[in-house]
Amino acid sequence: GAVVSQHPSRVICKSGTSVKIECRSLDFQATTMFWYRQFPKQSLMLMATSNEGSKATYEQGVEKDKFLINHASLTLSTLTVTSAHPEDSSFYICSAREVATSGYWNTGELFFGEGSRLTVL
Amino acid sequence: GIQVEQSPPDLILQEGANSTLRCNFSDSVNNLQWFHQNPWGQLINLFYIPSGTKQNGRLSATTVATERYSLLYISSSQTTDSGVYFCAVRDLNYGQNFVFGPGTRLSVLP
Repeated sequence: GAVVSQHPSRVICKSGTSVKIECRSLDFQATTMFWYRQFPKQSLMLMATSNEGSKATYEQGVEKDKFLINHASLTLSTLTVTSAHPEDSSFYICSAREVATSGYWNTGELFFGEGSRLTVL
Repeated sequence: GIQVEQSPPDLILQEGANSTLRCNFSDSVNNLQWFHQNPWGQLINLFYIPSGTKQNGRLSATTVATERYSLLYISSSQTTDSGVYFCAVRDLNYGQNFVFGPGTRLSVLP
């Protein structure tokens, strides 16, 4: 299957600093990537859909100025947590969809990065 | 939007036992995937199965799209099977995003 790499896997920062997380599709091009947040013992919550060359689409309740997403190329999307605070501590996971089509519909399989565990002190 | 349910929420097995995990969804889908999240948080693709039956070693999955459910079978379970199993579906009417179920937390005891 396709490989998605996420970096860093773990980051600890001081309150008020900004943290950047990278998500790369290593062996395929991804026009769309997704960023999720996961709280302990809960399911994945979609934060935003990252589209190459255009603005990200944020889910309701997600602050776009707090979580900056840039999808500069077909293989790289970045999530920047700006002015991080302890409540931003979480597990952040990116995913990319391999593009495939079946008739009209885009039916590509979703692949995930390793995740990034952010701890804000 | 589409609703996804998974059952059971928690499952404890003795090593060697078999189990069936279920995923129900409320609307038509064109994609369905099963994932295993290991203790380190990595999500591992198990099956891409919008319909039909697939097998991979001790694991197999069946999706009956017309009845809006999918089943994941784990046979001869091993301790390394422990973790959380998620199903995720893509709603035909909801654009590109996959909607995740709440997961089934599996513990396999030695």
